[in-house]
Amino acid sequence: DAGITQSPRHKVTETGTPVTLRCHQTENHRYMYWYRQDPGHGLRLIHYSYGVKDTDKGEVSDGYSVSRSKTEDFLLTLESATSSQTSVYFCAISESWGAARNEQFFGPGTRLTVL
Amino acid sequence: LAKTTQPISMDSYEGQEVNITCSHNNIATNDYITWYQQFPSQGPRFIIQGYKTKVTNEVASLFIPADRKSSTLSLPRVSLSDTAVYYCLVIFGNEKLTFGTGTRLTIIP
Repeated sequence: DAGITQSPRHKVTETGTPVTLRCHQTENHRYMYWYRQDPGHGLRLIHYSYGVKDTDKGEVSDGYSVSRSKTEDFLLTLESATSSQTSVYFCAISESWGAARNEQFFGPGTRLTVL
Repeated sequence: LAKTTQPISMDSYEGQEVNITCSHNNIATNDYITWYQQFPSQGPRFIIQGYKTKVTNEVASLFIPADRKSSTLSLPRVSLSDTAVYYCLVIFGNEKLTFGTGTRLTIIP
């Protein structure tokens, strides 16, 4: 399995509090992604990164920010958590992007509950 | 935003061949078609990827007709452990990556 870890794996927090999720990889892949998964919606892309300090928005980026100061770490921050952000969050990595071959490797997920 | 269309769910008996079809009418010339599998409480896992005609690996086969507007994932002789959600992913040029809602496959003993 690709070396991807996510922390924490489970978190319960209250509305209005800031939350940061961490994704760490040991594969030295250039591209990293954050998805959320909710019943009836499948996987939806939040943000992605194409290099250190290079990030862009995905389909559902409102309320989220990301940072990537090192190749191996990609942080997802909820500045002020809301109940609608209760979800399972997956990090993924890939060597390539776009029209070329793109195999993504996923982490184990973080279950976040916002009360 | 480009979309793919898959059946929401399918049931099959153990030992049968299962075919899951994905429609992607707006696929672009250089796009690849990729299928992922997801078990409960786990992240998705890559199964197979193709561009045209047929691709086969140790897990599945992928059939893509000449017009590439659809693709079919074929799982031979399924077992209970193949119960999962299967996602079809197509990269449309430089659009953001999008997974659909997937097909929930249930294998019946």
